[in-house]
Amino acid sequence: GNSVTQMEGPVTLSEEAFLTINCTYTATGYPSLFWYVQYPGEGLQLLLKATKADDKGSNKGFEATYRKETTSFHLEKGSVQVSDSAVYFCALISWGDDKLIFGTGTRLQVFP
Amino acid sequence: DSGVTQTPKHLITATGQRVTLRCSPRSGDLSVYWYQQSLDQGLQFLIQYYNGEERAKGNILERFSAQQFPDLHSELNLSSLELGDSALYFCASSVDPGAKTQYFGPGTRLLVL
Repeated sequence: GNSVTQMEGPVTLSEEAFLTINCTYTATGYPSLFWYVQYPGEGLQLLLKATKADDKGSNKGFEATYRKETTSFHLEKGSVQVSDSAVYFCALISWGDDKLIFGTGTRLQVFP
Repeated sequence: DSGVTQTPKHLITATGQRVTLRCSPRSGDLSVYWYQQSLDQGLQFLIQYYNGEERAKGNILERFSAQQFPDLHSELNLSSLELGDSALYFCASSVDPGAKTQYFGPGTRLLVL
């Protein structure tokens, strides 16, 4: 079946460090890929998305590129801030389907 | 603010009871989704409605049911509650099923004692 695998957390970084959170997927066809973020005590916010191979989604300094050859959608940010501390979820919607399939989430902790 | 509203924000109840969670989608969105977030199962899709009709079902227990009303708000009914039903329940909405972008509400945190 379709699934998403994320790197285990927590990821602990100092402010201004480079961030990578790995995400790989298994899906038939051509899924749409997403990153959602959940700040403490809040709901899920869409961070970025990509709907076809080689698309790059970007928002708030975060980027992710849809790599079909490696079935990956890694999240990157060049310089993290304390305010980026949150849980990040990679997700997909399969071709012909509507529901989101989520990874387990990766907690990011950024210290000053 | 995503524009999706959910009530109540918190709910504490006892085993065996029944509760109703309410969701109002973003203005103009016709499709509503329910998800459950728990420590052991992660984020799981429960059920989807589109313009009042059930469109897809996921890992939803028989004790749970939902509906979408003519004004497009949706309710998730959870009955014969068990301790394991304690979780965060999210509603999301999209313009239509093909939109591929879902906007989430703040969630209802359910605690079953």
